Amino acid sequence: QSALTQPRSVSGSPGQSVTISCTGTSSDVGGYNYVSWYQQHPGKAPKLMISDVTKRPSGVPDRFSGSKSGNTASLTISGLQAEDEADYYCCSYAVSYTWVFGGGTKLTVL
Amino acid sequence: QVQLVESGGGVVQPGTSLRLSCAASGFTFRTYVMHWVRQGPGKGLEWVAGIPYDGSNEYYADSVKGRFTISRDNSKNTLYLQMNSLRTEDTAVYYCARGTGAMVRGVLDYWGQGALVTVSS
Repeated sequence: QSALTQPRSVSGSPGQSVTISCTGTSSDVGGYNYVSWYQQHPGKAPKLMISDVTKRPSGVPDRFSGSKSGNTASLTISGLQAEDEADYYCCSYAVSYTWVFGGGTKLTVL
Repeated sequence: QVQLVESGGGVVQPGTSLRLSCAASGFTFRTYVMHWVRQGPGKGLEWVAGIPYDGSNEYYADSVKGRFTISRDNSKNTLYLQMNSLRTEDTAVYYCARGTGAMVRGVLDYWGQGALVTVSS
């Protein structure tokens, strides 16, 4: 149950696009289409942004999108806004009904 | 509206026990998967345990297996986490979270505000 690998930080200017990667193995990210992404503002509980690699829950802006290629999943945020500044975590199903999170990525909006 | 409220956190010594509760409201608790997720100070999220809607199975991260027990009382709309043999590395904010859809998807659509557990001598 090793944590998935995410960049520690990414940044972008308002209006730009950024992509956060999440790398695992064939036993988690690469083996299943069960990757979710969560946004967490300081001192707050996480919020679901993407499920099942690409699905966006109701209420999440369409600026947020997910994808996957091989053992790496990605979250892309287009048209960056100041309120997008937060920590982002990926999470994947692993074997035998366990789940593993990524180490988290701090997004800074310049 | 969906609400999840954790309670039972506190400061305990290594080797002791603590039980967290998560009171659920605003949805039909007995039909949803539930999970516990923790976050150490300044650290990332870590999945801890999960339980199906009927409590028929329990699933744990290796880091807590054999020490923690997840359970639920559907008549009380409450999720529990019994934590035994606590270690300093268990210090964290513990979140309960609702799982939506098939359990395997691991989609956590609502989270509580968390309960702080500090293990220190």
